[in-house]
Amino acid sequence: GENVGLHLPTLSVQEGDNSIINCAYSNSASDYFIWYKQESGKGPQFIIDIRSNMDKRQGQRVTVLLNKTVKHLSLQIAATQPGDSAVYFCAENKRADYKLSFGAGTTVTVRA
Amino acid sequence: GAGVSQSPSNKVTEKGKDVELRCDPISGHTALYWYRQSLGQGLEFLIYFQGNSAPDKSGLPSDRFSAERTGGSVSTLTIQRTQQEDSAVYLCASSLGATQETQYFGPGTRLLVL
Repeated sequence: GENVGLHLPTLSVQEGDNSIINCAYSNSASDYFIWYKQESGKGPQFIIDIRSNMDKRQGQRVTVLLNKTVKHLSLQIAATQPGDSAVYFCAENKRADYKLSFGAGTTVTVRA
Repeated sequence: GAGVSQSPSNKVTEKGKDVELRCDPISGHTALYWYRQSLGQGLEFLIYFQGNSAPDKSGLPSDRFSAERTGGSVSTLTIQRTQQEDSAVYLCASSLGATQETQYFGPGTRLLVL
């Protein structure tokens, strides 16, 4: 499953399929990007980050892709599991700053 | 190890009352942040503390909001004369240093102003 084009707030994906969550960031000066996962009733949990000198970074079952030309960030989750159901936020930060600017979030629902 | 902890986890108060929210950052983290998350929304930056430096209060929505950090560790966010629009989840995060260090979040305090 994938949310494409303009940011869509929800994504429904079949268990076992790959998920792609997209995020368009706004500040061309941003050079550090983070994905957070937030389950219901909990605080955001760090998933993976990437700096602007990279265009791809892989973690456990997750991959983040960064396209600075079009200011686009994506999170790919391999073999999506029911425990992946959550709201996913991208956040951006620019050098010498400490504030994170968060997107509105994408709700991922995994279908059994 | 222990993560960021916040208390209370839930708070219901009446309009006009003052509330205090507490955050215990991860031990050794010098930077501490407060964010607010309204229902179904992203996170809004409120205030930032780094070591002994003056805090960045630029995100506080009004002068009813204040925060302090004692001894470079525990922080308290105070909202005076609460209003219904203050109802939200208040999240605290901490990081090892200042810029571009991973921020780790606590579970949040869910505030409901009746």
